[in-house]
Amino acid sequence: DVVMTQSPLSLPVTPGEPASISCRSSQSVLHENGYNYLHWYLQKPGQSPQLLIYLASHRASGVPDRFSGSGSGTDFTLKISRVEAEDVGVFYCMQTLQTPPITFGQGTRLEIK
Amino acid sequence: QVQLVESGGGLVKPGGSLRLSCAASGFTFNDYSMNWIRQAPGKGLEWISYISSAGWTIYYADSVKGRFTISRDNAQNSLFLQMNDLRVDDTAVYYCAKESPRVGDDFEYWGQGTLVTVSS
Repeated sequence: DVVMTQSPLSLPVTPGEPASISCRSSQSVLHENGYNYLHWYLQKPGQSPQLLIYLASHRASGVPDRFSGSGSGTDFTLKISRVEAEDVGVFYCMQTLQTPPITFGQGTRLEIK
Repeated sequence: QVQLVESGGGLVKPGGSLRLSCAASGFTFNDYSMNWIRQAPGKGLEWISYISSAGWTIYYADSVKGRFTISRDNAQNSLFLQMNDLRVDDTAVYYCAKESPRVGDDFEYWGQGTLVTVSS
């Protein structure tokens, strides 16, 4: 199984400051079609996860442009250019290439300082 | 708009059974693969099962293989998860999720979840 490792696991951020989350996979999630099958989700308190970024770098519909994703192969990063209070929650990366099983990272909890 | 509504959760004793449902609307259900994902209290996300659009291809996580059965009724726009021989560590919120139409198989939409509690 592909192990997804996120860091940090806890991320206190001052509003207006940038934030960055790393996700590393134990095997490459780069498909032969050139896309990385790596996606990012945010689970806000008391809610279901919502898709933020798909295929490593594509923002989902309605996602603010302060969120961006990058990386390829086994190393990926989610960046928030300016954190807002509404970004509080747990961020997860997920790979859908080497399946089954689909695997998630442990989650990174973003909190406001 | 797309809606996924899970139901069927509740309290069950170890060794018992439960059947979860996911009612889908707002899209052509029989065009999309579906998944079940669970989240134990205070823990992360765990994928547990996949079913293709017509139901011909099915996968399970090792943790539920042999105990859980995924199925769908495309005429009723519904997804199911039959859970047998339940264990205490099956306690979780169970989500159904719709795959997107694009390459990559991301989970574009999630339901609100239904809580399953396994306890004596």
